Amino acid sequence: GENVEQHPSTLSVQEGDSAVIKCTYSDSASNYFPWYKQELGKGPQLIIDIRSNVGEKKDQRIAVTLNKTAKHFSLHITETQPEDSAVYFCAAHATSGGYNKLIFGAGTRLAVHP
Amino acid sequence: DGGITQSPKYLFRKEGQNVTLSCEQNLNHDAMYWYRQDPGQGLRLIYYSQIVNDFQKGDIAEGYSVSREKKESFPLTVTSAQKNPTAFYLCASSGGTRHSGNTIYFGEGSWLTVV
Repeated sequence: GENVEQHPSTLSVQEGDSAVIKCTYSDSASNYFPWYKQELGKGPQLIIDIRSNVGEKKDQRIAVTLNKTAKHFSLHITETQPEDSAVYFCAAHATSGGYNKLIFGAGTRLAVHP
Repeated sequence: DGGITQSPKYLFRKEGQNVTLSCEQNLNHDAMYWYRQDPGQGLRLIYYSQIVNDFQKGDIAEGYSVSREKKESFPLTVTSAQKNPTAFYLCASSGGTRHSGNTIYFGEGSWLTVV
C-alpha cells in the first residue's frame, strides 16, 4: 500500500541555523505534497505545499523541494527561531477507488535552542 | 469565523461505553476525515467521507462508526469494540470530492481518555 517515510524523527538545532526534514513516498501517482506543523495539543496547521508540476516552492523562511523521479521531497527552514519548535509532518496525496486522501509521515520533532 | 470545530476538547470514557465526538465545518467543504494520533506518533486515517451520505473506511476503522447526514457535520462514535481508544482525535476537511490534490485542513482535536 501507500507509504510515506520521514526522517529524522527528532532534530535539534541552534537558533539561526537551518533545518532540513526529508520524506520519501511510494505511490508514483501522488501529485500533491503538503507539510504541516503541529504544536502541542493542537491540530496540524498547513505551512506549505507543493504539486508535482513544480520542483521547488518558497515562502519566506520555508522552502520545499520535490524530486519526482526519486520520489522524495524535503522541507527546509532557514534562520530558525524558537517558535519554529514543533512537530512537522509531511504527507503525500493518494487515490483509493477514486477517493482522495493523504498518507502522513511519522513526524519530526524539531527543537530550536536559543 | 470560518473553520472546523471539534467538541468536546476533552472526553473521558468508561469501559464498555460508546462516546461520540462532534465535528462541524463551515467551510462548505465536500470531504471530511477523521484521524487518530497516539502520543509521539503520526496520523492514522479512521474514516473519510467525500460527500453527504457516503463514507469509506480508512486504515483503522474497527471499533469506530461515522455518519454524514449533513455536509457540515461528520460525527465519530467510538464504540465499546475499540479496545484501546485513548488517543488524540483529529477531524479534517477538504474542498474536493474525486479531485486530486486538495488541501486538507484540520480542527483543533479532541482528547479521549478511558477511565
